[in-house]
Amino acid sequence: KNEVEQSPQNLTAQEGEFITINCSYSVGISALHWLQQHPGGGIVSLFMLSSGKKKHGRLIATINIQEKHSSLHITASHPRDSAVYICAVRSTQGGSEKLVFGKGMKLTVNP
Amino acid sequence: KAGVTQTPRYLIKTRGQQVTLSCSPISGHRSVSWYQQTPGQGLQFLFEYFSETQRNKGNFPGRFSGRQFSNSRSEMNVSTLELGDSALYLCASSRAIRWNTGELFFGEGSRLTVL
Repeated sequence: KNEVEQSPQNLTAQEGEFITINCSYSVGISALHWLQQHPGGGIVSLFMLSSGKKKHGRLIATINIQEKHSSLHITASHPRDSAVYICAVRSTQGGSEKLVFGKGMKLTVNP
Repeated sequence: KAGVTQTPRYLIKTRGQQVTLSCSPISGHRSVSWYQQTPGQGLQFLFEYFSETQRNKGNFPGRFSGRQFSNSRSEMNVSTLELGDSALYLCASSRAIRWNTGELFFGEGSRLTVL
């Protein structure tokens, strides 16, 4: 079982829809990142969370440390939101820290 | 403000060769971390440097190494290349002194093809 699981793996939505992407993890963490990757490879950091909730524009990220779960919400989705969304956790195991990534969720928003 | 710069962007090597990739962080950022991305394994953490010292390391063989210079620029080296090393190599920089507290800023990546 992967240490970081994302669901769904793929999602196609219509413009304007509310979208939720889920991330569950099984390790102890100090922080969680939501990343966005467009075709061509460039990665943009959307949020870094260690507790609670953050909002930036149409994006909202929440984390529940007790349940080891985070969600990324996109309100009023737009075709430019089409990208791969990756959840990553800062894990501390074996005395060292590392970033562990989920497999990503490919989002396609149709006009 | 210039972003994270990685060079070269694309390169082709043959099995057994070695390769060196370069990463220039955002000015003022002292932490640089490296990642490998492949279609099969996704993104994986390679290592992280801060003030010329490797602080954290992922689960990669010793053929993968890196270093950081006094100006915070970093290089990673892969020796004795294997076909499976074909990947997008990404670096990220952070302003934070403690690695687990800083937002990451990624470069565009270096795409390595091993023939």
